[in-house]
Amino acid sequence: EVQLVESGGDLVKPGGSLRLSCAASGFPFSSYSMNWVRQAPGKGLEWVSSIGGTSRSIYYADSVKGRFTISRDNAKNSLYLQMNSLRAEDTAVYYCAKEEHTEAFEIWGQGTMVTVSS
Amino acid sequence: QSVLTQPPSASGTPGQRVTISCSGSSSNIGSNYVYWYQHLPGTAPKLLIYRNNQRPSGVPDRFSGSKSGTSASLAISGLRSEDEADYYCAAWDDSLSGRLFGGGTKLTVL
Repeated sequence: EVQLVESGGDLVKPGGSLRLSCAASGFPFSSYSMNWVRQAPGKGLEWVSSIGGTSRSIYYADSVKGRFTISRDNAKNSLYLQMNSLRAEDTAVYYCAKEEHTEAFEIWGQGTMVTVSS
Repeated sequence: QSVLTQPPSASGTPGQRVTISCSGSSSNIGSNYVYWYQHLPGTAPKLLIYRNNQRPSGVPDRFSGSKSGTSASLAISGLRSEDEADYYCAAWDDSLSGRLFGGGTKLTVL
Protein backbone atom coordinates (compact mmCIF):
# COMPACT_ATOMS: atom_id res chain seq x y z
CA GLU A 1 0.00 0.00 0.00
CA VAL A 2 1.27 3.44 -0.95
CA GLN A 3 1.51 5.54 2.19
CA LEU A 4 2.87 8.88 3.36
CA VAL A 5 3.16 9.68 7.06
CA GLU A 6 4.16 13.15 8.24
CA SER A 7 5.66 13.93 11.63
CA GLY A 8 7.43 16.71 13.46
CA GLY A 9 4.64 19.23 13.86
CA ASP A 10 4.72 21.15 17.11
CA LEU A 11 4.13 24.47 18.88
CA VAL A 12 7.06 26.81 18.28
CA LYS A 13 7.73 30.46 19.09
CA PRO A 14 8.03 33.11 16.38
CA GLY A 15 11.56 33.12 15.01
CA GLY A 16 12.03 29.49 15.93
CA SER A 17 12.82 26.46 13.80
CA LEU A 18 11.20 23.11 13.14
CA ARG A 19 11.93 20.12 10.91
CA LEU A 20 9.08 18.15 9.39
CA SER A 21 9.50 14.61 8.09
CA CYS A 22 7.46 12.51 5.71
CA ALA A 23 8.00 8.74 5.65
CA ALA A 24 7.08 7.10 2.36
CA SER A 25 6.32 3.45 1.67
CA GLY A 26 4.84 1.24 -1.02
CA PHE A 27 6.46 2.84 -4.07
CA PRO A 28 9.96 3.51 -5.52
CA PHE A 29 10.51 6.74 -3.62
CA SER A 30 13.50 7.97 -5.61
CA SER A 31 11.51 7.86 -8.86
CA TYR A 32 9.04 10.52 -7.84
CA SER A 33 9.05 14.23 -7.10
CA MET A 34 7.62 15.12 -3.73
CA ASN A 35 5.86 18.22 -2.47
CA TRP A 36 4.81 20.01 0.69
CA VAL A 37 1.41 21.70 0.76
CA ARG A 38 -0.07 23.54 3.75
CA GLN A 39 -3.45 24.75 4.94
CA ALA A 40 -3.67 27.53 7.49
CA PRO A 41 -6.70 27.55 9.80
CA GLY A 42 -9.76 28.70 7.89
CA LYS A 43 -7.75 29.15 4.69
CA GLY A 44 -7.24 27.23 1.47
CA LEU A 45 -4.49 24.94 0.28
CA GLU A 46 -1.12 26.57 -0.40
CA TRP A 47 1.73 24.84 -2.23
CA VAL A 48 4.98 25.25 -0.29
CA SER A 49 7.81 23.43 -2.06
CA SER A 50 8.75 20.60 -4.39
CA ILE A 51 11.83 18.45 -4.93
CA GLY A 52 12.71 16.14 -7.80
CA GLY A 53 13.64 12.52 -7.36
CA THR A 54 17.37 13.23 -7.50
CA SER A 55 17.07 16.54 -5.59
CA ARG A 56 18.35 18.47 -8.61
CA SER A 57 15.10 20.35 -9.11
CA ILE A 58 13.86 22.30 -6.11
CA TYR A 59 11.18 24.99 -6.05
CA TYR A 60 9.67 27.15 -3.32
CA ALA A 61 6.67 29.41 -2.91
CA ASP A 62 7.67 33.04 -2.52
CA SER A 63 6.14 33.05 0.97
CA VAL A 64 8.77 30.61 2.29
CA LYS A 65 11.75 31.23 0.03
CA GLY A 66 14.91 31.83 2.03
CA ARG A 67 13.38 30.45 5.24
CA PHE A 68 12.38 26.88 4.38
CA THR A 69 14.56 24.14 2.90
CA ILE A 70 13.19 20.98 1.33
CA SER A 71 15.35 17.85 1.17
CA ARG A 72 15.05 14.12 0.80
CA ASP A 73 16.95 10.96 1.72
CA ASN A 74 16.15 8.32 -0.86
CA ALA A 75 17.98 5.64 1.14
CA LYS A 76 15.54 6.26 3.99
CA ASN A 77 12.47 6.89 1.79
CA SER A 78 12.01 10.17 3.59
CA LEU A 79 11.15 13.76 2.72
CA TYR A 80 11.99 16.71 4.95
CA LEU A 81 11.10 20.36 5.39
CA GLN A 82 13.44 22.48 7.50
CA MET A 83 11.56 25.56 8.59
CA ASN A 84 13.51 28.51 10.02
CA SER A 85 12.53 32.04 11.06
CA LEU A 86 9.00 30.84 11.61
CA ARG A 87 6.18 33.37 11.62
CA ALA A 88 2.63 33.28 12.92
CA GLU A 89 1.41 33.03 9.33
CA ASP A 90 3.25 29.73 8.95
CA THR A 91 0.74 28.16 11.34
CA ALA A 92 -0.92 25.41 9.30
CA VAL A 93 -1.41 21.74 8.70
CA TYR A 94 1.46 20.61 6.51
CA TYR A 95 0.86 17.78 4.03
CA CYS A 96 3.40 15.89 2.00
CA ALA A 97 2.22 14.76 -1.41
CA LYS A 98 3.59 12.34 -4.02
CA GLU A 99 3.73 13.88 -7.47
CA GLU A 100 2.80 11.43 -10.20
CA HIS A 101 4.45 11.55 -13.62
CA THR A 102 1.28 13.37 -14.74
CA GLU A 103 2.28 16.10 -12.22
CA ALA A 104 -0.84 15.30 -10.20
CA PHE A 105 -0.73 14.97 -6.43
CA GLU A 106 -2.48 11.63 -6.16
CA ILE A 107 -1.20 10.45 -2.78
CA TRP A 108 -1.24 12.68 0.28
CA GLY A 109 -0.33 12.16 3.90
CA GLN A 110 -2.74 12.95 6.73
CA GLY A 111 -0.85 16.09 7.69
CA THR A 112 1.05 17.41 10.69
CA MET A 113 0.12 20.57 12.58
CA VAL A 114 2.57 23.42 13.03
CA THR A 115 1.60 26.22 15.38
CA VAL A 116 3.74 29.35 15.62
CA SER A 117 2.80 31.35 18.68
CA SER A 118 4.40 32.99 21.68
CA GLN B 1 -5.66 36.58 -2.76
CA SER B 2 -4.90 33.62 -5.01
CA VAL B 3 -3.70 34.05 -8.59
CA LEU B 4 -6.19 31.33 -9.54
CA THR B 5 -9.65 32.71 -8.86
CA GLN B 6 -12.51 30.50 -7.77
CA PRO B 7 -15.94 31.45 -6.44
CA PRO B 8 -15.88 31.07 -2.65
CA SER B 9 -19.09 29.06 -2.60
CA ALA B 10 -21.43 27.00 -4.74
CA SER B 11 -24.54 25.03 -3.99
CA GLY B 12 -27.04 22.63 -5.49
CA THR B 13 -29.71 20.13 -4.64
CA PRO B 14 -29.29 16.35 -4.90
CA GLY B 15 -29.31 15.23 -8.52
CA GLN B 16 -28.46 18.65 -9.90
CA ARG B 17 -25.40 19.59 -11.95
CA VAL B 18 -23.06 22.24 -10.58
CA THR B 19 -20.04 23.89 -12.14
CA ILE B 20 -17.08 25.45 -10.37
CA SER B 21 -14.91 27.87 -12.31
CA CYS B 22 -11.21 28.64 -12.03
CA SER B 23 -9.79 31.72 -13.71
CA GLY B 24 -6.08 32.24 -14.25
CA SER B 25 -3.70 33.78 -16.75
CA SER B 26 -1.42 32.97 -19.65
CA SER B 27 1.42 31.99 -17.32
CA ASN B 28 -0.55 29.31 -15.50
CA ILE B 29 -3.80 27.89 -16.87
CA GLY B 30 -3.13 29.33 -20.31
CA SER B 31 0.04 27.30 -20.76
CA ASN B 32 -0.15 24.41 -18.30
CA TYR B 33 -2.42 21.60 -17.19
CA VAL B 34 -5.15 22.11 -14.61
CA TYR B 35 -5.81 19.76 -11.69
CA TRP B 36 -8.80 19.55 -9.36
CA TYR B 37 -8.84 18.36 -5.75
CA GLN B 38 -11.62 17.63 -3.29
CA HIS B 39 -10.91 18.33 0.39
CA LEU B 40 -12.87 17.52 3.48
CA PRO B 41 -11.58 19.25 6.63
CA GLY B 42 -9.37 16.99 8.70
CA THR B 43 -8.69 14.60 5.85
CA ALA B 44 -6.13 14.33 3.07
CA PRO B 45 -7.07 16.10 -0.17
CA LYS B 46 -8.23 13.82 -3.00
CA LEU B 47 -7.30 14.15 -6.66
CA LEU B 48 -10.41 14.40 -8.86
CA ILE B 49 -9.13 15.55 -12.24
CA TYR B 50 -5.64 15.66 -13.73
CA ARG B 51 -4.32 17.16 -16.96
CA ASN B 52 -7.47 19.25 -17.50
CA ASN B 53 -10.00 16.48 -18.02
CA GLN B 54 -8.61 13.10 -16.98
CA ARG B 55 -10.12 11.12 -14.11
CA PRO B 56 -7.99 8.88 -11.89
CA SER B 57 -9.31 5.37 -11.44
CA GLY B 58 -11.96 5.27 -8.77
CA VAL B 59 -13.27 8.78 -9.38
CA PRO B 60 -16.89 8.59 -10.60
CA ASP B 61 -17.67 9.88 -14.09
CA ARG B 62 -20.04 12.36 -12.43
CA PHE B 63 -16.93 14.52 -12.11
CA SER B 64 -15.57 16.13 -15.26
CA GLY B 65 -13.06 18.85 -16.05
CA SER B 66 -12.58 21.22 -18.93
CA LYS B 67 -10.28 24.05 -19.91
CA SER B 68 -10.54 26.90 -22.37
CA GLY B 69 -7.87 29.56 -22.70
CA THR B 70 -7.02 30.86 -19.25
CA SER B 71 -10.03 29.36 -17.48
CA ALA B 72 -11.04 25.92 -16.35
CA SER B 73 -14.15 24.33 -14.89
CA LEU B 74 -15.09 21.37 -12.77
CA ALA B 75 -18.57 19.96 -13.32
CA ILE B 76 -20.32 17.64 -10.92
CA SER B 77 -23.47 15.97 -12.19
CA GLY B 78 -25.99 13.94 -10.22
CA LEU B 79 -25.04 15.84 -7.07
CA ARG B 80 -24.92 13.75 -3.90
CA SER B 81 -24.73 14.72 -0.25
CA GLU B 82 -21.24 13.24 0.03
CA ASP B 83 -20.02 15.73 -2.57
CA GLU B 84 -20.26 18.46 0.05
CA ALA B 85 -16.62 19.54 0.41
CA ASP B 86 -14.07 22.15 -0.59
CA TYR B 87 -12.83 22.04 -4.18
CA TYR B 88 -9.53 23.45 -5.41
CA CYS B 89 -8.07 23.96 -8.85
CA ALA B 90 -4.30 23.92 -9.29
CA ALA B 91 -1.79 24.66 -12.03
CA TRP B 92 1.90 25.31 -12.51
CA ASP B 93 2.82 28.95 -13.04
CA ASP B 94 5.72 29.61 -15.41
CA SER B 95 6.35 33.15 -14.11
CA LEU B 96 6.48 32.11 -10.47
CA SER B 97 8.15 28.75 -11.14
CA GLY B 98 5.79 27.23 -8.67
CA ARG B 99 2.53 25.41 -8.23
CA LEU B 100 -0.61 27.44 -7.57
CA PHE B 101 -3.85 26.47 -5.88
CA GLY B 102 -7.06 28.39 -6.31
CA GLY B 103 -8.65 29.91 -3.26
CA GLY B 104 -11.10 27.03 -3.00
CA THR B 105 -14.86 26.69 -3.45
CA LYS B 106 -17.05 25.38 -0.67
CA LEU B 107 -19.79 23.24 -2.18
CA THR B 108 -23.00 22.88 -0.20
CA VAL B 109 -25.57 20.25 -1.07
CA LEU B 110 -28.92 21.67 -0.02
